[in-house]
Amino acid sequence: EIVLTQSPATLSLSPGERATLSCRASQSVSRYLAWYQQKPGQAPRLLIYDASTRATGIPARFSGSGSGTDFTLTISSLEPEDFAVYYCQQRSNWITFGQGTRLEIK
Amino acid sequence: EVQLVQSGAEVKKPGESLMISCKGSGYNFINYWIGWVRQMPGKGLEWMGVVYPDDSNTRYSPSFQGHVTISADKSINTAYLQWSSLKASDTAMYYCARPGITGTVVYWGQGTLVTVSS
Repeated sequence: EIVLTQSPATLSLSPGERATLSCRASQSVSRYLAWYQQKPGQAPRLLIYDASTRATGIPARFSGSGSGTDFTLTISSLEPEDFAVYYCQQRSNWITFGQGTRLEIK
Repeated sequence: EVQLVQSGAEVKKPGESLMISCKGSGYNFINYWIGWVRQMPGKGLEWMGVVYPDDSNTRYSPSFQGHVTISADKSINTAYLQWSSLKASDTAMYYCARPGITGTVVYWGQGTLVTVSS
């Protein structure tokens, strides 16, 4: 089973700042890596798929990069609605999720 | 519009059985697998397994194999997640999910909260 490790566990930033979230896979997942945002009481929402492609309706401030085992989700300038939990997910070999990064207001 | 609509919240006692459902609409149900995801209180997302509605073939994550049963009835566009004997540790929110044409999970049900308590 491919293990995804996200860092940091919690990220404390202010609106307008840049957020950088990391996801490392225990073996190569090529570019089959997605990022999801989850807010309290809601189902996850797809942000990025295939490492760097924004899903429909996702603002341009969200971007993804990486391939193989190391991936990054960047939010260029945080809006108040961006404070949430973010998960990475691989679909290269079955499906597994990372443990999540909580993005909180500083 | 693709929709996955799940059955309502359940409160059960340890040892009881339970089946929750996920009804798909707005697409050809047999063309896409349906997966189930567990989220325990305050915790992250765990992929449980999938069912292929066309032939009812299933696959489970190792942690869930033997503990739950996933199935589908293509005649009524519905997938199911079933327990034969619930435990307190099954208390969680359960989501069904479906991929888009790229293969990435795009569509999610609204979630079914299962509470197991004596």
